[in-house]
Amino acid sequence: EAGVAQSPRYKIIEKRQSVAFWCNPISGHATLYWYQQILGQGPKLLIQFQNNGVVDDSQLPKDRFSAERLKGVDSTLKIQPAKLEDSAVYLCASSLGGTTRAGYNEQFFGPGTRLTVL
Amino acid sequence: AQSVTQPDIHITVSEGASLELRCNYSYGATPYLFWYVQSPGQGLQLLLKYFSGDTLVQGIKGFEAEFKRSQSSFNLRKPSVHWSDAAEHLCAVDGGYNKLIFGAGTRLAVHP
Repeated sequence: EAGVAQSPRYKIIEKRQSVAFWCNPISGHATLYWYQQILGQGPKLLIQFQNNGVVDDSQLPKDRFSAERLKGVDSTLKIQPAKLEDSAVYLCASSLGGTTRAGYNEQFFGPGTRLTVL
Repeated sequence: AQSVTQPDIHITVSEGASLELRCNYSYGATPYLFWYVQSPGQGLQLLLKYFSGDTLVQGIKGFEAEFKRSQSSFNLRKPSVHWSDAAEHLCAVDGGYNKLIFGAGTRLAVHP
């Protein structure tokens, strides 16, 4: 079974430029997550999708970050314009479902995209 | 608010020695708790999880963890560390609706 795919693996941009990351979840997984992991910190959830709807985007800086999951499969996370503090690893994860605690579904993570903003 | 604290940023052990990584959580209800391992350039891999029942849980790669409600802790242990265990180890709690809240991680180094 193929895992979660992410691209690119690495990206270096100048501040104020735009950047986009792509994620393809495990086939059949309804829930998709984007996390930001700044150096020295644990991953922080940015946005959670259930199919093509947003479940939680409370920690997404909406003035510069946007994400979409058209057709409920793959997803794109965009930053426009980028700031120095956006340098981080962006992790995508997916799970079968699980928007209730009664039915927890394990999250499977992709390898991440390392973003450096100069 | 839910949170996870991993007090040790770096730990170094000798190969073959025992290991204990600390994790403390803050959560109002019965927590779902997890330990993940993150190797350079790779995604997170689930080592083990606790939902309910037996407070000592076994995971992959010979790891185990013990849930102690009275201490709000979920420490990770391994009786004999291998060089391949060197990695970032992350503790997490489910904050509800499958939302994971991670600690800052403990970087494990293994000396030959």
